[in-house]
Amino acid sequence: SAVISQKPSRDICQRGTSLTIQCQVDSQVTMMFWYRQQPGQSLTLIATANQGSEATYESGFVIDKFPISRPNLTFSTLTVSNMSPEDSSIYLCSVQGRGRADTQYFGPGTRLTVL
Amino acid sequence: AQKVTQAQTEISVVEKEDVTLDCVYETRDTTYYLFWYKQPPSGELVFLIRRNSFDEQNEISGRYSWNFQKSTSSFNFTITASQVVDSAVYFCALTTDSWGKLQFGAGTQVVVTP
Repeated sequence: SAVISQKPSRDICQRGTSLTIQCQVDSQVTMMFWYRQQPGQSLTLIATANQGSEATYESGFVIDKFPISRPNLTFSTLTVSNMSPEDSSIYLCSVQGRGRADTQYFGPGTRLTVL
Repeated sequence: AQKVTQAQTEISVVEKEDVTLDCVYETRDTTYYLFWYKQPPSGELVFLIRRNSFDEQNEISGRYSWNFQKSTSSFNFTITASQVVDSAVYFCALTTDSWGKLQFGAGTQVVVTP
């Protein structure tokens, strides 16, 4: 399985500011995903990030609020823009291997608290 | 539409007891993949098992075992002789998309006390 790192591991931010979360993988992967896990809740997919193309967002998530970059096959960023306390969550990136229906492996997550 | 139901919100057991986590899924697709993940208090999601719809063979890995039954659309997970380190939230997930989107259940919190 791939080794995935995320930065920062946690942060406390003020309302109205933005935070960019980085996801780094130790091998080239086709698909990268960003999930949100609100306190005490399950995981919800925010978007799918393919290298060289625009991210595909799920219903309820928009690019202006969660812009994503995927500059190469080992790296992606998610920005949480104009934050409010409702954005306090764990944000996790995941990667899927090179084969179809490969398992998704998750990064350690970024715990975000918005005051 | 896809759906994963984990009806058990929390299960508390004493160490060495067995615990079974239920997972019921819904999908119209004939090809799909089921997963179990463990989320300890640290927050990281740890992959445990993947099963595709054409493989109904049950699996055992150490103290963990999985029972996949297509007839009842269930993919249950049993921890035998539980340990304190098993305390975590366990998620069942489903995908019918070869390239992504996992549909997660609500998760089951397992609390193992000494």
